[in-house]
Amino acid sequence: AQSVTQPDIHITVSEGASLELRCNYSYGATPYLFWYVQSPGQGLQLLLKYFSGDTLVQGIKGFEAEFKRSQSSFNLRKPSVHWSDAAEYFCAVEGGKLIFGQGTELSVKP
Amino acid sequence: GAVVSQHPSWVICKSGTSVKIECRSLDFQATTMFWYRQFPKQSLMLMATSNEGSKATYEQGVEKDKFLINHASLTLSTLTVTSAHPEDSSFYICSAIRDRDSPLHFGNGTRLTVT
Repeated sequence: AQSVTQPDIHITVSEGASLELRCNYSYGATPYLFWYVQSPGQGLQLLLKYFSGDTLVQGIKGFEAEFKRSQSSFNLRKPSVHWSDAAEYFCAVEGGKLIFGQGTELSVKP
Repeated sequence: GAVVSQHPSWVICKSGTSVKIECRSLDFQATTMFWYRQFPKQSLMLMATSNEGSKATYEQGVEKDKFLINHASLTLSTLTVTSAHPEDSSFYICSAIRDRDSPLHFGNGTRLTVT
């Protein structure tokens, strides 16, 4: 069965610092992978997705993610974090239905 | 871009009453809609998958008689929480997709509080 693990429940970074949020997945075939962001009390916004092709995908708001099949990972990165990036981030895998990881809460220090 | 509207955004109801949440795709026809439930500080848990004109497919552990889902048209799905109890208090989020190869669009969620 498909599953997604986000090992970090909460991460704090300083504004301007780089960011990497971890995501590991379990799926029998080549997965469709997603990263979503959720602001408090809001729905989800798609940051980026991987279906096939180039393993480094670019998303909105300066985010990127790299699909590494050998590590079953799809980590999200941003070179310089802004205070407005503080939110909850969800990694998801789709194999018939969309399954979300537990989420990582990002706090940004001024 | 495609928009999914969810209504109401928040609702407070008394224990024992029923509450209906609507999910509408505003500028596309959604063949499939999904309903998720999210507890505070937790992930989204898929409750059911709703296809237009057919019965919803519920995930294991979700009571279909308690969470009634209707997908009567290609732009509207409803979730009715029947005989609500305080433990049903949660954040409910819908999403909609036009077809298998299209992106998934989320509503802004409904905060349900049962007193």
